[in-house]
Amino acid sequence: GQSLEQPSEVTAVEGAIVQINCTYQTSGFYGLSWYQQHDGGAPTFLSYNALDGLEETGRFSSFLSRSDSYGYLLLQELQMKDSASYFCAVRDLRGSGNTGKLIFGQGTTLQVKP
Amino acid sequence: DSGVTQTPKHLITATGQRVTLRCSPRSGDLSVYWYQQSLDQGLQFLIQYYNGEERAKGNILERFSAQQFPDLHSELNLSSLELGDSALYFCASSPRGQGNEQFFGPGTRLTVL
Repeated sequence: GQSLEQPSEVTAVEGAIVQINCTYQTSGFYGLSWYQQHDGGAPTFLSYNALDGLEETGRFSSFLSRSDSYGYLLLQELQMKDSASYFCAVRDLRGSGNTGKLIFGQGTTLQVKP
Repeated sequence: DSGVTQTPKHLITATGQRVTLRCSPRSGDLSVYWYQQSLDQGLQFLIQYYNGEERAKGNILERFSAQQFPDLHSELNLSSLELGDSALYFCASSPRGQGNEQFFGPGTRLTVL
C-alpha cells in the first residue's frame, strides 16, 4: 500500500533550525510534496521534490533521497508564525497514475517557543 | 489567499440530512479535488474532477457524490449524514490533472448533531 510516516510533534525555540522527517512506502513514485497548515486554516503548498537533493526556498528547504524513500523539511531561523502542522504527501500512482490524488502523512505539529 | 473559494464556511445540521458544499477553483485551473480532514483520520482524498469529468476516486462513501460543472465550479453532496461525517472539507485546485502543487480553499466546517 501507500503510507507516509512523520513524527507527530516537534518543539523548537525561536531562531533555531528544525528538521521534519518523512519516510514513505509507495508503489511507484513521482515526488514528495510538503504542505503547511495553521490551526483551522487551509493547507498551503511549500515545496515539491522530484529528484534527489536539496531544494531551497528562503528559510525553508526540502530534501529527498529516493533510494532511501526518505525526505525532510528543514526550517531555519524559526519564527513564532512557523508554529503549524506540516504534512508530507505523495501522488497515488495506482491505476493510471495520471491523477492528482495526494496521499498525506498524518502531519507533524511544530511548536515554536520564545 | 489561494484564489480558491468555498461556501459555506460553517454548516451545522442534523443526522440524516443532506448538504451541498460548493467550490470555485482558481481562475484557469481545470482540476478540482475534495479532501476530508477529521481529527483521527488526517487529510483524506475523496475525489478529483478534471475539466468536468471524474479523474480519480478515493475512499469516498456511497452517500457522498460530487460533480464539476461547465464553468468548472464543483459541488460535493453529502447525504444521510452521520455524526462521523463531522469534519473539515477542503476543496483544492490545480492547473492540470497531475497536481503536485495544489491550492486549497479555506474549507467548510461541517458539524452533524
